[in-house]
Amino acid sequence: SQTIHQWPATLVQPVGSPLSLECTVEGTSNPNLYWYRQAAGRGLQLLFYSVGIGQISSEVPQNLSASRPQDRQFILSSKKLLLSDSGFYLCASIPGQGLSNYGYTFGSGTRLTVV
Amino acid sequence: DAKTTQPNSMESNEEEPVHLPCNHSTISGTDYIHWYRQLPSQGPEYVIHGLTSNVNNRMASLAIAEDRKSSTLILHRATLRDAAVYYCILRDDNYGQNFVFGPGTRLSVLP
Repeated sequence: SQTIHQWPATLVQPVGSPLSLECTVEGTSNPNLYWYRQAAGRGLQLLFYSVGIGQISSEVPQNLSASRPQDRQFILSSKKLLLSDSGFYLCASIPGQGLSNYGYTFGSGTRLTVV
Repeated sequence: DAKTTQPNSMESNEEEPVHLPCNHSTISGTDYIHWYRQLPSQGPEYVIHGLTSNVNNRMASLAIAEDRKSSTLILHRATLRDAAVYYCILRDDNYGQNFVFGPGTRLSVLP
């Protein structure tokens, strides 16, 4: 079974500072990887997904970017954080080719507060 | 994306069964029905999924209507730990679509 490692668990950053959140996956190869954000009291918003190394699709235009330098590594970045970037960031993975008969595995999340 | 409709919130008493409904009247023949739940301050976790037949696992049961336009997640004996937001999601295998999470149903379990 898949295991997703996400760190840090909590982060407080000033406005205008850079951001780097890392997610690594164990127990599968060639997964589809996802970054979601959840604002306080809200639903999950898909930010980015990747079907392979170097392949990134963005769902919404924003202050963030994503990269996939290795098969099981997914990084979320920002050059300058905004207050609106605060939220709960979740990495998720689906094994293999992302077929529907498989479910997501989510990481434990990073709670980011921009001050 | 095929859409789902769930009640915003539900309440249950501890150790009683809970039936969480989901309507998906525009479901296509290749859409799988997935259920996830999110405990407070945690990432969502997989609960169960199915295509046409009812499904059972150690966490819950999934009852799918014969016309597949609705489904029900059944927790046989609710515990306080089952208090969470429950998401019903459709995903089309043919197109490898991403999961789209709606607002879900917030389940409260009363002691």
